Amino acid sequence: AQTVTQSQPEMSVQEAETVTLSCTYDTSESDYYLFWYKQPPSRQMILVIRQEAYKQQNATENRFSVNFQKAAKSFSLKISDSQLGDAAMYFCAYRRSNNDMRFGAGTRLTVKP
Amino acid sequence: EPEVTQTPSHQVTQMGQEVILRCVPISNHLYFYWYRQILGQKVEFLVSFYNNEISEKSEIFDDQFSVERPDGSNFTLKIRSTKLEDSAMYFCASEEGGTNYEQYFGPGTRLTVT
Repeated sequence: AQTVTQSQPEMSVQEAETVTLSCTYDTSESDYYLFWYKQPPSRQMILVIRQEAYKQQNATENRFSVNFQKAAKSFSLKISDSQLGDAAMYFCAYRRSNNDMRFGAGTRLTVKP
Repeated sequence: EPEVTQTPSHQVTQMGQEVILRCVPISNHLYFYWYRQILGQKVEFLVSFYNNEISEKSEIFDDQFSVERPDGSNFTLKIRSTKLEDSAMYFCASEEGGTNYEQYFGPGTRLTVT
């Protein structure tokens, strides 16, 4: 079974600083997709970034980047120049093609002004 | 930008009552999903739907649950006889298909069973 583990229930970062959120997953598949979703207090699920397992290059979206280590089954999210609006729950998710999304338990990120 | 919509935003119902949660996926999307998030917990998969039939369902999706796409536009989740433990946020998601593999989530319906 595919499981996703986020070992940090809570993290905090000073505004303008950098923070890294950890995620590991368990799978026997070689072809899959990884995602980070942000869930602000409104509880809307917002896609932050995605990574295809077959791509060696780490995905980047503006201030958000990932460190994808396929052999270690690790998929961490780095947020640079943190902003107050980044405060939210962050969920790591895994899926195989045409299958459901499996989510981690989430990390609550607090941004201190 | 196209988005997934869900109605109502908040539904309060009494235990034992039937509820229908509605979703309008993005129009050209082919795959549809329901997820559930109990307060303070992670998002859990309920069911996926493709080509007018269920393609996968989790152990949570028992006989009390059903899904339907009655008119080619709406995608509904019905709970026949609600229980207290059904109280949760329910998210609909849709996916275009092909090689994108991104699921677009709706804003959710908060279901409260009293």
